[in-house]
Amino acid sequence: GEDVEQSLFLSVREGDSSVINCTYTDSSSTYLYWYKQEPGAGLQLLTYIFSNMDMKQDQRLTVLLNKKDKHLSLRIADTQTGDSAIYFCAESPGRRALTFGSGTRLQVQP
Amino acid sequence: DVKVTQSSRYLVKRTGEKVFLECVQDMDHENMFWYRQDPGLGLRLIYFSYDVKMKEKGDIPEGYSVSREKKERFSLILESASTNQTSMYLCASSSGTGMGGYTFGSGTRLTVV
Repeated sequence: GEDVEQSLFLSVREGDSSVINCTYTDSSSTYLYWYKQEPGAGLQLLTYIFSNMDMKQDQRLTVLLNKKDKHLSLRIADTQTGDSAIYFCAESPGRRALTFGSGTRLQVQP
Repeated sequence: DVKVTQSSRYLVKRTGEKVFLECVQDMDHENMFWYRQDPGLGLRLIYFSYDVKMKEKGDIPEGYSVSREKKERFSLILESASTNQTSMYLCASSSGTGMGGYTFGSGTRLTVV
């Protein structure tokens, strides 16, 4: 998606924290989402954040939202090999469908 | 377990064939979507529907059409398949508010030869 940008690849060691970044363009997005795609599978909703929040924590996942800079990040604490996947951020522009980024492939080294 | 089911996991079709990709959801969701996924391009929206018999074009509708005769079923049609339509096709659904995000099917990998 040209309106939502992510880096393509991130490699971390098992046990480290991973931070996946995303920039979006539509300031009217009510919700912003993170999805995970494991090999050969569809996308699975990981978490989402309402646009009037700065942070949301859900177990090992922390989402940070900077509305001024239109920047969204996903932090995974204590990254495990099972976290290896492609992570997509998505914005929700008005009534239209979600716009997805290109996805960040997370590789976790044992 | 609620789900979105895509009828085929893998499909191989010849250039010029008419291709039907079927998607069924069992969550009574109002909204349904078709995306295609290509490496480095992420997901691109083809068509979506907010209600039965209703459809709206997404970002890349050329060469595709859709049908939604029943609430639970949303079909993607390739009128005359071409090699540049070789891709992974993902169907998704969501409730009216969309707050909970989308539920995706497992995808159909279509190869046009």
